[in-house]
Amino acid sequence: GQQLNQSPQSMFIQEGEDVSMNCTSSSIFNTWLWYKQDPGEGPVLLIALYKAGELTSNGRLTAQFGITRKDSFLNISASIPSDVGIYFCAGQLRSGSRLTFGEGTQLTVNP
Amino acid sequence: NAGVTQTPKFQVLKTGQSMTLQCAQDMNHNSMYWYRQDPGMGLRLIYYSASEGTTDKGEVPNGYNVSRLNKREFSLRLESAAPSQTSVYFCASKGSGANVLTFGAGSRLTVL
Repeated sequence: GQQLNQSPQSMFIQEGEDVSMNCTSSSIFNTWLWYKQDPGEGPVLLIALYKAGELTSNGRLTAQFGITRKDSFLNISASIPSDVGIYFCAGQLRSGSRLTFGEGTQLTVNP
Repeated sequence: NAGVTQTPKFQVLKTGQSMTLQCAQDMNHNSMYWYRQDPGMGLRLIYYSASEGTTDKGEVPNGYNVSRLNKREFSLRLESAAPSQTSVYFCASKGSGANVLTFGAGSRLTVL
């Protein structure tokens, strides 16, 4: 099946630092999604991207749909302890097809 | 509004035992999904149901069965549990025309 490569696998940062993570694919996607999973909970949608080049913000989070349509980036500015969790990217090849998830980025924020 | 509800939240089984994970959604979504989450492997699709009355295999269906009982409910059954099925299981649902999944809180299963 389709594979998404998400990096880094884990990050350990200090409170206040900015964070950047990304996903790449060998296939062209028409939708990119970013989810966050808090410890002990299910993933929750953060940002949805539907157009190549699209840049969307949600508070301190900013995500971009890569121009090639084969990658996406998520940035978190001025991290806080509650940003801790696993961040997943997910891509959709075309409308109606199933989502493919990346392996996740485990984020730890030290106060 | 509960969203997607999974039960049980935790379960310990012995090898060879059977059990069913229950999932219900109250958002009138057509599509429902079962994923498993293992460290370093992200979310892998076990089975899904695009609409009431249909079910299809995902990436890792072996050792599992599903039932779409009605539009609200989608259960996952392990007939003979194996240690390799130790995982966290997530149910999710999606409305028609949307591509955003809503997840339940997860069910942590340990098979000894």
